[in-house]
Amino acid sequence: TQLLEQSPQFLSIQEGENLTVYCNSSSVFSSLQWYRQEPGEGPVLLVTVVTGGEVKKLKRLTFQFGDARKDSSLHITAAQPGDTGLYLCAPKETSGSRLTFGEGTQLTVNP
Amino acid sequence: DTEVTQTPKHLVMGMTNKKSLKCEQHMGHRAMYWYKQKAKKPPELMFVYSYEKLSINESVPSRFSPECPNSSLLNLHLHALQPEDSALYLCASSLRFPSGSTDTQYFGPGTRLTVL
Repeated sequence: TQLLEQSPQFLSIQEGENLTVYCNSSSVFSSLQWYRQEPGEGPVLLVTVVTGGEVKKLKRLTFQFGDARKDSSLHITAAQPGDTGLYLCAPKETSGSRLTFGEGTQLTVNP
Repeated sequence: DTEVTQTPKHLVMGMTNKKSLKCEQHMGHRAMYWYKQKAKKPPELMFVYSYEKLSINESVPSRFSPECPNSSLLNLHLHALQPEDSALYLCASSLRFPSGSTDTQYFGPGTRLTVL
């Protein structure tokens, strides 16, 4: 069983600030997905990373997969109130395994 | 169309009631999932259906009874629930299960269940 840590659990920042969310484990991942969940909605997939060292950008969001495929980070530049939500990392230890979510990071961006 | 729909959006029920949650997708996905989510917590997997057959039951109490009448529909029948069962119940679907490394699960908006 993998030990999965997502941090921070809660983050409240002002509009325009930058932030980074981390997802770490003792296990090697086959792939890792990041989801965002807004109030009253289900999680929505933001990105999937597969290759160690991979970096993907989605507008102001930058996702990085660690070289050893044991960790990942999500960096948001110039956060906006619309970025508010629950950010969930969801790694897969092997292809075909079920989706397991980290504890989540509840982000609030204040205007 | 990448939409998963769920009804009802909100449900309040007593501990002696019987109710059902419904989920529908028309993406041709052959895997469908039920998750339970408590406030400020991640979704927890309850059941997985693959090709209309139950593949995974995560030791869910029998007061929750899933049903997959066809490849587009997934139900969750509720009976004799407890107040601690109050939560957001999310349905999801994906192309197949077990899924590939890059397969996407599409989630519905959930049913907010309150048990009195």
